[in-house]
Amino acid sequence: NAGVTQTPKFQVLKTGQSMTLQCAQDMNHNSMYWYRQDPGMGLRLIYYSASEGTTDKGEVPNGYNVSRLNKREFSLRLESAAPSQTSVYFCASTPGGPVGVVRAFFGQGTRLTVV
Amino acid sequence: QKEVEQDPGPLSVPEGAIVSLNCTYSNSAFQYFMWYRQYSRKGPELLMYTYSSGNKEDGRFTAQVDKSSKYISLFIRDSQPSDSATYLCAMSYNTDKLIFGTGTRLQVFP
Repeated sequence: NAGVTQTPKFQVLKTGQSMTLQCAQDMNHNSMYWYRQDPGMGLRLIYYSASEGTTDKGEVPNGYNVSRLNKREFSLRLESAAPSQTSVYFCASTPGGPVGVVRAFFGQGTRLTVV
Repeated sequence: QKEVEQDPGPLSVPEGAIVSLNCTYSNSAFQYFMWYRQYSRKGPELLMYTYSSGNKEDGRFTAQVDKSSKYISLFIRDSQPSDSATYLCAMSYNTDKLIFGTGTRLQVFP
């Protein structure tokens, strides 16, 4: 099983460019998440999707959009990249629900640099 | 104030030491408490979790929750160089949201 797969692994963007980060899970999980990780800030929730067809804002949603394409896939889009969005982005999935949420599986991360 | 606070470290200990990692939180509604381990340039992985108050032991690792003090701990006995990683606490309150601490970087030297 691949678990949670993120693409790309690395990306350099120029300010103002757009891009989409892709995430897919093969564990039949209901809930999917996008986090960013910055030094000294820990993992901060950008958006999450509790189930197919629903999305909700997390702690730091500004500058991002998401799409829950189907149960397997959850994408994160940067419409106009800014240097402040330089970060490591992690996608995660869980079975969902108050008990299932404890078992989060993470992808390997996407290292994004905006110059 | 952040909902979950965690000392970022780094914490450097000799092999064989007992390590204590801690988090405090402000939201009394948190019910599930988790510890994740993250190796350099990897995604976090679940180490263990507890529900509500109490202790849980798994091999060399023990998780403790004190809801009255809003304080959780992870103890690592007989620490090994392979335990060198960043340890993140996480919490949830009967929803699908997971809230993470900033992580504590641990270095165990031989």
